[in-house]
Amino acid sequence: QSALTQPASVSRSPGQSITISCTGTSSDVGSYNLVSWYRQHPGKAPKLMLYEVNKRPSGVSNRFSGSKSGNTASLTISGLQAEDEADYYCCSYAGSGTPFGGGTKLTVL
Amino acid sequence: QVQLQESGPGLVKPSETLSLTCTVSGYSISSGYYWGWIRQPPGKGLQWIGTIYHNGSTYYNPSLKSRVTMSVDTSKNQFSLKLSSVTAADTAVYYCARDYDFSGWFDPWGQGTLVTVSS
Repeated sequence: QSALTQPASVSRSPGQSITISCTGTSSDVGSYNLVSWYRQHPGKAPKLMLYEVNKRPSGVSNRFSGSKSGNTASLTISGLQAEDEADYYCCSYAGSGTPFGGGTKLTVL
Repeated sequence: QVQLQESGPGLVKPSETLSLTCTVSGYSISSGYYWGWIRQPPGKGLQWIGTIYHNGSTYYNPSLKSRVTMSVDTSKNQFSLKLSSVTAADTAVYYCARDYDFSGWFDPWGQGTLVTVSS
């Protein structure tokens, strides 16, 4: 199992939208609709934001949405707010495990 | 409301075995679900360590498999992690979490516990 590939960092202004990619292979992202996304603020535990590609847990804002095409999954955040500044991680089922992406640091300028 | 809490030594000597326990409240482990361990070295990303089913079936990260042992104690509503022959590279915050359907869907998470490997 290899780690999934995410951009190291992205930045946008408040109110804008951002899409973070998560690239895997035909053995993980490409084979299963089992991609999840997590948000992590400094010093805190990760929080589930999306599961099964595009499903939101109760309490997560509808500003968060997900999609998948081939071996790449994407997280889109619309109407960026200061609280969205954090690290974001994707995770995918891979048949015998669940590797994470390397993480993306989102800066809201 | 399901809650998880990690516990164990915060300092482990090189070559020794790291042992952590995750206590679950608000849900009976014997009722089902999978339960996982994830770690995060200081300043780095998340790494899945392994997942255990309530019946004791285990799934480990291939890169750690030779050193990892996970177990479940339904009588105490706990599951545990042992990582042998540790080195400084195993220094990390260790999280436990519920793993829905062994699909990478981890929720909720414990608060995490820092384990430092040092003599």
